[in-house]
Amino acid sequence: NAGVTQTPKFRVLKTGQSMTLLCAQDMNHEYMYWYRQDPGMGLRLIHYSVGEGTTAKGEVPDGYNVSRLKKQNFLLGLESAAPSQTSVYFCASSYSNLEQYFGPGTRLTVT
Amino acid sequence: QKEVEQDPGPLSVPEGAIVSLNCTYSNSAFQYFMWYRQYSRKGPELLMYTYSSGNKEDGRFTAQVDKSSKYISLFIRDSQPSDSATYLCAMSLYNFNKFYFGSGTKLNVKP
Repeated sequence: NAGVTQTPKFRVLKTGQSMTLLCAQDMNHEYMYWYRQDPGMGLRLIHYSVGEGTTAKGEVPDGYNVSRLKKQNFLLGLESAAPSQTSVYFCASSYSNLEQYFGPGTRLTVT
Repeated sequence: QKEVEQDPGPLSVPEGAIVSLNCTYSNSAFQYFMWYRQYSRKGPELLMYTYSSGNKEDGRFTAQVDKSSKYISLFIRDSQPSDSATYLCAMSLYNFNKFYFGSGTKLNVKP
């Protein structure tokens, strides 16, 4: 039982490049979330999903897209990376929608 | 104005001390209040949650909510060096879909 896993763990991008972050959970959770964490800002919700095939915008969705084609996976895409997207990205999943289980994070640097 | 305010610290205490961590918030509609612990370079993990006002105790940890003052607290009794981490408060409306996090307080418990 791996819980929530994130791929990759680290990535460096040049401005304008694209990439996809993968989140996978093996707990059969309905709800999944993508957050970014920046110094002094706490965790901010980017997008979330309340079930397979559904997605919704969070607090800071601009510049990101998501997809939830399978219940266990939640993908976060950056179509044209900008330095302002340098951050640590966390994925989380939840069964009851109250207790969230977080992944280990992806450290992204955009130069 | 941020929805949730939290003193970033750092807070340094000797082993065995009682620690008090606090958050204030602006949205009176928040119903659920949570505390997460985050070790360095790891994802947050849920410590406790409470619904509406009142106290909740779990071992050495006590969570307190004062909705009239829009103020929540986490108390740690008999603090241990293993409690050294960043503590994040989080809040949610009745529908759980979005969570609002404080920026975190870094705690250091010295042996």
